[in-house]
Amino acid sequence: AQTVTQSQPEMSVQEAETVTLSCTYDTSENNYYLFWYKQPPSRQMILVIRQEAYKQQNATENRFSVNFQKAAKSFSLKISDSQLGDTAMYFCAFTSYNNNDMRFGAGTRLTVKP
Amino acid sequence: KAGVTQTPRYLIKTRGQQVTLSCSPISGHRSVSWYQQTPGQGLQFLFEYFSETQRNKGNFPGRFSGRQFSNSRSEMNVSTLELGDSALYLCASSLGNGQPQHFGDGTRLSIL
Repeated sequence: AQTVTQSQPEMSVQEAETVTLSCTYDTSENNYYLFWYKQPPSRQMILVIRQEAYKQQNATENRFSVNFQKAAKSFSLKISDSQLGDTAMYFCAFTSYNNNDMRFGAGTRLTVKP
Repeated sequence: KAGVTQTPRYLIKTRGQQVTLSCSPISGHRSVSWYQQTPGQGLQFLFEYFSETQRNKGNFPGRFSGRQFSNSRSEMNVSTLELGDSALYLCASSLGNGQPQHFGDGTRLSIL
């Protein structure tokens, strides 16, 4: 079974600084998808970024980028120029290539300080 | 385009009762998944429906069931409610496997 591990329960960063959130996963599959979602206090889960495992190029969305290391089964999220609105719970998630059963990590609570 | 809509937002029930939660996906999305979120267990997959068929099911007892209608709207039912069923129930829709899942605001279910 696939598992997703986020080893940092809480992190904080100063506004405008850069922060990296860690995620590792375990799977025997070769093709799969990885995601980062954020959940602000308003509780709606919002997609941050998506990575296809068969693509070696790291995904980027504006200030958000990932470091995808397939052999190490690592998928970290880097947030550049942190903003107060980035304060949220961040979840790393995995889905297999052939189903939509999304497995989530325990989450990292990120606080951006002014 | 309207997002995923879940109703109701809040629900209070007592042990032994049953409850039905509703989810309207984004127009054009045929896959609807349900998740339970609790402080202790985190986010756990309940089941997924695609074109009115349950394709995947998580590790939950048979008290948890669901269905999907021809317009892709989905309902989730929990029977014989237990205190441990108190949770935020999230619905997500997507175009299919591997595509981003778009989440609703959730239904907060409290069992007294």
